[in-house]
Amino acid sequence: EAGVAQSPRYKIIEKRQSVAFWCNPISGHATLYWYQQILGQGPKLLIQFQNNGVVDDSQLPKDRFSAERLKGVDSTLKIQPAKLEDSAVYLCASSLELIGGAFFGQGTRLTVV
Amino acid sequence: DAKTTQPNSMESNEEEPVHLPCNHSTISGTDYIHWYRQLPSQGPEYVIHGLTSNVNNRMASLAIAEDRKSSTLILHRATLRDAAVYYCILNEKGRQLTFGSGTQLTVLP
Repeated sequence: EAGVAQSPRYKIIEKRQSVAFWCNPISGHATLYWYQQILGQGPKLLIQFQNNGVVDDSQLPKDRFSAERLKGVDSTLKIQPAKLEDSAVYLCASSLELIGGAFFGQGTRLTVV
Repeated sequence: DAKTTQPNSMESNEEEPVHLPCNHSTISGTDYIHWYRQLPSQGPEYVIHGLTSNVNNRMASLAIAEDRKSSTLILHRATLRDAAVYYCILNEKGRQLTFGSGTQLTVLP
């Protein structure tokens, strides 16, 4: 079974530039999550989708972050404009059931300079 | 979201069992107990989850206290590849997984 795919693996941008991350979840998984993990901390949820609807985006900085899930499958997370404090690993995860385990991708390491 | 308390770090010898504790005294009746681990430079990896009964899978065992206010993740025979940060998470059905700071497990050869 293929895992959660994310791209790119690494990205370096200057502050005030924009960036987009892509995620392809495990086939058939209805729930998709985007997490932000700052170095030395546990992952923090940014947004949770159930199919193509948003379940929870309460911790998404909506003035600069946006996310969509096309046709309930792939998802993109965008930051515009980026700030220095956005430097982190952005993790995508998916799960089959609401109570099941979530499977994570390898993440995208973003450095904002 | 209900909170969990874990030791910051633990050490174990290779090929010995490891018991990772987690306290969750404010757990509600609908909260599932999830464990994930994160190896260096990788995304978190699902280990196991349960509600009331003890659970076993190929990776580990989960022992849940009768009052559900604590649980223990058991690695039956630690290997060097088990060195990771282990997260204990309470998850209400359909809600987000809220990660804490976890337990850094060091496995000594």
